[in-house]
Amino acid sequence: GEDVEQSLFLSVREGDSSVINCTYTDSSSTYLYWYKQEPGAGLQLLTYIFSNMDMKQDQRLTVLLNKKDKHLSLRIADTQTGDSAIYFCAEMYSSASKIIFGSGTRLSIRP
Amino acid sequence: DTEVTQTPKHLVMGMTNKKSLKCEQHMGHRAMYWYKQKAKKPPELMFVYSYEKLSINESVPSRFSPECPNSSLLNLHLHALQPEDSALYLCASSQDQGLAGDNEQFFGPGTRLTVL
Repeated sequence: GEDVEQSLFLSVREGDSSVINCTYTDSSSTYLYWYKQEPGAGLQLLTYIFSNMDMKQDQRLTVLLNKKDKHLSLRIADTQTGDSAIYFCAEMYSSASKIIFGSGTRLSIRP
Repeated sequence: DTEVTQTPKHLVMGMTNKKSLKCEQHMGHRAMYWYKQKAKKPPELMFVYSYEKLSINESVPSRFSPECPNSSLLNLHLHALQPEDSALYLCASSQDQGLAGDNEQFFGPGTRLTVL
């Protein structure tokens, strides 16, 4: 079935790294995504990873994919107050040609 | 222009009202989407239009009626809604319906709908 799971909350100190974790179920997923949603706004695609990759780095963002365990993580280096948002993990559910979103992780930043 | 616009930003309607949500993009995208997002929940796909034709209907009740008048516009007509339909309705568009990683879905800011 379709299921993408994330922890609901994460609190980090400003300047530290944030690591948001996600597990998914569709082993045939070709692409996995990380979206950011700020209050009152739509979703913004942060990054994506193709399933034949283990890691992808884009400036402060690092995505790690463990396909065997169906585990995806997003690391944000040097977390800033502007990173406060809800982060959604999503997988391409290939059999239905649609994206399935996780429940979202609310990231809050402590001074 | 990489923007998806949605109007209105907020909408309050009664259960007997008829209203419409509008979405517009000028990026030349040929796929457009409606999502419903309840509070503290992820977005759930409702409809997908590809080249102005309905491609996916996620078993959405008929009180929601999508329409794609042209390649830039997507409407969602609402009639006889229930209070549980109150949610943030998000529109998105992408180059086409393919789900390749670089076929990014651009989201609008959403319409926050309250049904009384």
